[in-house]
Amino acid sequence: GAVVSQHPSRVICKSGTSVKIECRSLDFQATTMFWYRQFPKKSLMLMATSNEGSKATYEQGVEKDKFLINHASLTLSTLTVTSAHPEDSSFYICSARDLRGEAKNIQYFGAGTRLSVL
Amino acid sequence: GESVGLHLPTLSVQEGDNSIINCAYSNSASDYFIWYKQESGKGPQFIIDIRSNMDKRQGQRVTVLLNKTVKHLSLQIAATQPGDSAVYFCAETQGYQKVTFGIGTKLQVIP
Repeated sequence: GAVVSQHPSRVICKSGTSVKIECRSLDFQATTMFWYRQFPKKSLMLMATSNEGSKATYEQGVEKDKFLINHASLTLSTLTVTSAHPEDSSFYICSARDLRGEAKNIQYFGAGTRLSVL
Repeated sequence: GESVGLHLPTLSVQEGDNSIINCAYSNSASDYFIWYKQESGKGPQFIIDIRSNMDKRQGQRVTVLLNKTVKHLSLQIAATQPGDSAVYFCAETQGYQKVTFGIGTKLQVIP
């Protein structure tokens, strides 16, 4: 299957700082990537759809200015949590859709980033 | 062992037994379904998929069953192993629209 790399795997930061998370498709080009947030023992909550070369599409209730998404190339999308606060602490996961082959709707996931805001 | 319901259940299964994980999906127009496995602290991993024009698909040790009449999906794992311990999510989508994930089921394999 396709490989998606996410970095960093864990970050601890002080309240008020900004944190950038990178998501890379390693062996395929991804015009669309997805950013999810996951609370403990809960399912994945879609935050936004990242589109290469255009603005991201945010889900209802997700603050655009809080969670900045940039998809500048076909293999890289970044999520920046601006002015992070303790309530932003969570597990953030990215995914990319591999459009090669028959199974074009499979999303391949990164390993996730555990964000802890002190 | 078998799990049912929309909560986050825990299914405990003896090593070597078969596991059945159930999922009730919400959108009758969904035409593509995927099962993912998520180990603790990691991202979800693709297991198997099925299209709405099928009612059964088999992989290595896993089988997915789809019942569109009652909007029900199940994942069967044969000869469950300790490495199968994880949270399993079903996901549904229509066309190339966004994927919707179910709540998940935690599978615990008892050695």
